[in-house]
Amino acid sequence: AQSVTQLGSHVSVSEGALVLLRCNYSSSVPPYLFWYVQYPNQGLQLLLKYTSAATLVKGINGFEAEFKKSETSFHLTKPSAHMSDAAEYFCAVSSNSGYSTLTFGKGTMLLVSP
Amino acid sequence: ETGVTQSPTHLIKTRGQQVTLRCSSQSGHNTVSWYQQALGQGPQFIFQYYREEENGRGNFPPRFSGLQFPNYSSELNVNALELDDSALYLCASRQTSGGVPDTQYFGPGTRLTVL
Repeated sequence: AQSVTQLGSHVSVSEGALVLLRCNYSSSVPPYLFWYVQYPNQGLQLLLKYTSAATLVKGINGFEAEFKKSETSFHLTKPSAHMSDAAEYFCAVSSNSGYSTLTFGKGTMLLVSP
Repeated sequence: ETGVTQSPTHLIKTRGQQVTLRCSSQSGHNTVSWYQQALGQGPQFIFQYYREEENGRGNFPPRFSGLQFPNYSSELNVNALELDDSALYLCASRQTSGGVPDTQYFGPGTRLTVL
């Protein structure tokens, strides 16, 4: 069975500050890990994904995440927050099966203040 | 290239009614998954269709059913609606060809309200 835990249902940062959104996973097989962003009243947009290649993954909009097997973590970071980054962020895990589906965390709402 | 589309955008039903939600997959994608996202929660997997066959199901009762058509579009049907079925229903499509799971692309969702 797979699961994802996102620490902090809400994270508040000032514009220009570092963004750190935490994600820990549990998986009995080598995981594939994803970060999605959801803007209000919209679907999910993929930010980045880890599929067993480089452990540091760069995504869109300046976001990146590092896979740490020893810590079972896949935290999302961005050096400098922008007002447009305010949204809900979901971490998800899937197995390495071609028929696998996504198991999501409960999400973290990122609030950015001027 | 057309992305994943869903219809309708919003829907209001009463308890006990039946509802059908529709999804058009992205061009070239042969796999469609449906997810339920309750307010304040992450999406939960309902089921997945590959080449018109259901090949995965989450922890949802049989009154949640689906179809996939030869053009890979899909329907989600929910019978005997309950108040707890109120949620955003997301459809995602991808190409399945074994090996590394291909990225799932999500539609904008259908907001279902059950009164």
